[in-house]
Amino acid sequence: QQPVQSPQAVILREGEDAVINCSSSKALYSVHWYRQKHGEAPVFLMILLKGGEQKGHEKISASFNEKKQQSSLYLTASQLSYSGTYFCGTEGSTLGRLYFGRGTQLTVWP
Amino acid sequence: SQTIHQWPATLVQPVGSPLSLECTVEGTSNPNLYWYRQAAGRGLQLLFYSVGIGQISSEVPQNLSASRPQDRQFILSSKKLLLSDSGFYLCAWSVRTAGTSTGELFFGEGSRLTVL
Repeated sequence: QQPVQSPQAVILREGEDAVINCSSSKALYSVHWYRQKHGEAPVFLMILLKGGEQKGHEKISASFNEKKQQSSLYLTASQLSYSGTYFCGTEGSTLGRLYFGRGTQLTVWP
Repeated sequence: SQTIHQWPATLVQPVGSPLSLECTVEGTSNPNLYWYRQAAGRGLQLLFYSVGIGQISSEVPQNLSASRPQDRQFILSSKKLLLSDSGFYLCAWSVRTAGTSTGELFFGEGSRLTVL
């Protein structure tokens, strides 16, 4: 049930872009994205629903391809505050149960 | 506004001892409630999920159990802890909406458990 995230880690300079991918072997109803700072609880970024939508949140956006059961998170012109671990959470036919990937550790250097 | 409280924040327990972690949500009714565990390299692992009082779904067979004695209270327990139970435990809630996707998950601050 756990989605697969890639890459496991990304190191960027401020201003560079990054893409984090999330894929599932099961049909998906929705995909969530969260960011977690070290020692803190995960914080919600966005939800994408079945229907192949795209969403944006400041310079962070995401897409969801339900046919391929994949989602991607796009971080544009990264800032130091973007550092953290990013998790995708997937919801399948059993609505309400959210399964998370192993996370992608993003480090932004000045 | 809604808040979620989780305690204790940190605990160190010997192998074989019992465990009780508590989580309460304020400012909402009939929430979905979740327990996740975060261990190194394994991401956020869904342990238990609840849609109502006394309704618990277990995701991973293990020596942990969960209970929901009240609408906004969720308890994680163990009778005898194992070394492998060490980790960061997170309680979360979401708005319950029948027939539609789960909304945003709101996480508690977490409980860090070390089993020695």
